[in-house]
Amino acid sequence: AQKVTQAQTEISVVEKEDVTLDCVYETRDTTYYLFWYKQPPSGELVFLIRRNSFDEQNEISGRYSWNFQKSTSSFNFTITASQVVDSAVYFCALCDNQGGKLIFGQGTELSVKP
Amino acid sequence: EAGVAQSPRYKIIEKRQSVAFWCNPISGHATLYWYQQILGQGPKLLIQFQNNGVVDDSQLPKDRFSAERLKGVDSTLKIQPAKLEDSAVYLCASSLWGGETQYFGPGTRLLVL
Repeated sequence: AQKVTQAQTEISVVEKEDVTLDCVYETRDTTYYLFWYKQPPSGELVFLIRRNSFDEQNEISGRYSWNFQKSTSSFNFTITASQVVDSAVYFCALCDNQGGKLIFGQGTELSVKP
Repeated sequence: EAGVAQSPRYKIIEKRQSVAFWCNPISGHATLYWYQQILGQGPKLLIQFQNNGVVDDSQLPKDRFSAERLKGVDSTLKIQPAKLEDSAVYLCASSLWGGETQYFGPGTRLLVL
């Protein structure tokens, strides 16, 4: 069965601190996709990144970076120099190669205080 | 490019009443999804359409929930009769095809009293 675990329920940091959100997944598929979405208080899920299982290269986009390690089934997300606007719930999700259904983790609520 | 549109944004009903939600996907997106997000949890897929055909409705409570996507564009999700545990946010998403990145609408917040 496919499963995504985000063990950190809530994280609170002070502005400009770096923060890492953990994501561990389970799947028997050899081809799959991993995602991160941001859900601000407005409620809409905002797409951040999509990564396929054959691409383990880490990715950086501005203050955001992602570390994908198949050996540990992890896809962690780091925000460098956090800002108050980063406050939101962040979801990690897994998608198989057959249907397209997203399996979401429970989410990590990030609070960045000024 | 316009995003996924949903209406209404909020709905309050009493248990045993019926309710319907509407979704208009991104133009050209063949795949449409309805997710249910209960407070404090991640979204859970209810139903997935490819054009106007159902791909996956294994987690849709078919005794009370129904959905359709006529003409392969807009979709409606209906609950009849509603229960207290149906209180949640109902999210619609679309993608070019199954497996591609899903883009979400603003959601409909349903409260069943």
